[in-house]
Amino acid sequence: EVQLVESGGGSVQPGGSLRLSCAASGFTFNTYAMTWVRQAPGKGLDWVAGISDRGESTYYADSVQGRFTISRDNSKNTLYLQMNTLRAEDTAVYYCAKDGRGYNFGLFDYWGQGALVTVSS
Amino acid sequence: EIVLTQSPGILSLSPGESATLSCRASQRVSSNYLVWFQQKPGQAPRLLIYGASSRATGIPDRFSGSGSGTDFTLTISRLEPEDFAVYYCQQHNASPYSFGQGTKLEIK
Repeated sequence: EVQLVESGGGSVQPGGSLRLSCAASGFTFNTYAMTWVRQAPGKGLDWVAGISDRGESTYYADSVQGRFTISRDNSKNTLYLQMNTLRAEDTAVYYCAKDGRGYNFGLFDYWGQGALVTVSS
Repeated sequence: EIVLTQSPGILSLSPGESATLSCRASQRVSSNYLVWFQQKPGQAPRLLIYGASSRATGIPDRFSGSGSGTDFTLTISRLEPEDFAVYYCQQHNASPYSFGQGTKLEIK
């Protein structure tokens, strides 16, 4: 059974940093691309960043380019999202999701339960 | 960026009825790259349909997808109480991948 478990969410002041983690199990982690999708309170879904199976290729939404960094440690079956220079508009539940291919294909077939990030002074 | 517009915003129906949800793209989307998700309150999205018309693993056959080009449809026949949720379409034809704003299917 595929399982994705996010951690590291919390409250942070504007301009601060936070790192999310996503522990994966139930599939061969190093053969699939992974992604982060966020959902602001009461709003829709918003793709944030993606990374290929071996981590050599990364992709970002314009809204987070230069502030967020997606990475992975295949030896630990873990996906990360380093978030710097956080803004109030980054407040959201952040989901990690498994892609259906090893490259950035965009078919998100399994999702974690989400981690809430709140940016407020 | 491809913008997806879903309609209606809210759909009020009774169990046993059929639901038709629409997703319109601002540019042509290959049918291979249009998916539908279901999201219930407090839960993560669940993949329902990929490739515009293929059901994901474990999805009942009362869910069906169709469409091509810029117009896609999710049809839910014989609504069950557990089907009342928010539905999102998403395209992965071109990056950045984009989602529609959602259709809330509520019990009438």
